[in-house]
Amino acid sequence: DAGVTQSPTHLIKTRGQHVTLRCSPISGHKSVSWYQQVLGQGPQFIFQYYEKEERGRGNFPDRFSARQFPNYSSELNVNALLLGDSALYLCASSLGGSSGNTIYFGEGSWLTVV
Amino acid sequence: KNQVEQSPQSLIILEGKNCTLQCNYTVSPFSNLRWYKQDTGRGPVSLTIMTFSENTKSNGRYTATLDADTKQSSLHITASQLSDSASYICVVAGGSYIPTFGRGTSLIVHP
Repeated sequence: DAGVTQSPTHLIKTRGQHVTLRCSPISGHKSVSWYQQVLGQGPQFIFQYYEKEERGRGNFPDRFSARQFPNYSSELNVNALLLGDSALYLCASSLGGSSGNTIYFGEGSWLTVV
Repeated sequence: KNQVEQSPQSLIILEGKNCTLQCNYTVSPFSNLRWYKQDTGRGPVSLTIMTFSENTKSNGRYTATLDADTKQSSLHITASQLSDSASYICVVAGGSYIPTFGRGTSLIVHP
């Protein structure tokens, strides 16, 4: 069975541009979360969606937005990119919306803003 | 405020040696604690998960312990291998939907 898949794997954007990252959860998983991981640090929580509704939002500016589709896949959008947005963006899925569910991570999307 | 602190920040050991990584947390209420291994440039992979009633959980050469009273956990790696070189992240889940991540311990195993 396929794990969590993310696309694109690597991308380079210019300051001020917009980016869309995509994630497909493990089949049967209804919860998707997004994390930002800057080099040398642990993942920072951005959003969690469960059954297409936002369940939680981390301390990120409004330039960051996300949504979950009826098939439970998800998109993370970042507007007006800044150099500091350069990071590994991880998507994770779990069966349910409880924090007790095991979280499975994708391989991430490497975003470089120049 | 929920926090997870890991130590040491980085560690270098020789192949074949044992090591122990530490995790202290202030997450409350407590649901479970997980250890993840993250190879450079890859997504984290779950090693162990422990609930309140579990003191020890093993996964091959990895053994995690949990003391819910002192809110401490450790990850012991036995007979280290070069492939153990990675970042090890402690994640604690509590009453909210959002788990709290530590910053990770970077382990380098030298031949």
